[in-house]
Amino acid sequence: QKEVEQDPGPLSVPEGAIVSLNCTYSNSAFQYFMWYRQYSRKGPELLMYTYSSGNKEDGRFTAQVDKSSKYISLFIRDSQPSDSATYLCAMATLGRLYFGRGTQLTVWP
Amino acid sequence: SAVISQKPSRDICQRGTSLTIQCQVDSQVTMMFWYRQQPGQSLTLIATANQGSEATYESGFVIDKFPISRPNLTFSTLTVSNMSPEDSSIYLCSARIDNQPQHFGDGTRLSIL
Repeated sequence: QKEVEQDPGPLSVPEGAIVSLNCTYSNSAFQYFMWYRQYSRKGPELLMYTYSSGNKEDGRFTAQVDKSSKYISLFIRDSQPSDSATYLCAMATLGRLYFGRGTQLTVWP
Repeated sequence: SAVISQKPSRDICQRGTSLTIQCQVDSQVTMMFWYRQQPGQSLTLIATANQGSEATYESGFVIDKFPISRPNLTFSTLTVSNMSPEDSSIYLCSARIDNQPQHFGDGTRLSIL
């Protein structure tokens, strides 16, 4: 069993839709939870991070962590074609990151 | 936000040759990291490079194949040695800056013929 599971998609939604991206994990030692966005031919770009259960909001993006269920989510409201990218969840413990496989998202106009 | 620059951005190499990838950070950092990203796979950590000490390699990666240098607090190199087609991948460097989560460069896309 991989430590971080993420559905690779692809996910295709119309502009304006609410997008939900999810990851599950098995290691209770994970302390920090991150979402990275990766555009084609670019490196991963840190989008959001949190270290506690609950919600964290930044503009159209909301990161949600449920440590009891070992489940994290990223919600994108009013999705835009510019949100089309691969979204990687990542979790950290002891200074080391563990990544999901990434979910490829396409938002069509 | 921090800028991490990698060179080259891509290369096509012959099998049996070696390539050195450079990573430059625009601020001083203690730890730099090297990852490999293969299509459809999660990022795989190759090694962690601290300035002034030997790099720490993850299981499955050895220094003879992936020698790393870390001459100062803003720069590191990764060499992919004696390349084979299985080494075709994207190689990424990252760094933790100001206690933030890791930031990444844009990667080096390597193809081996």
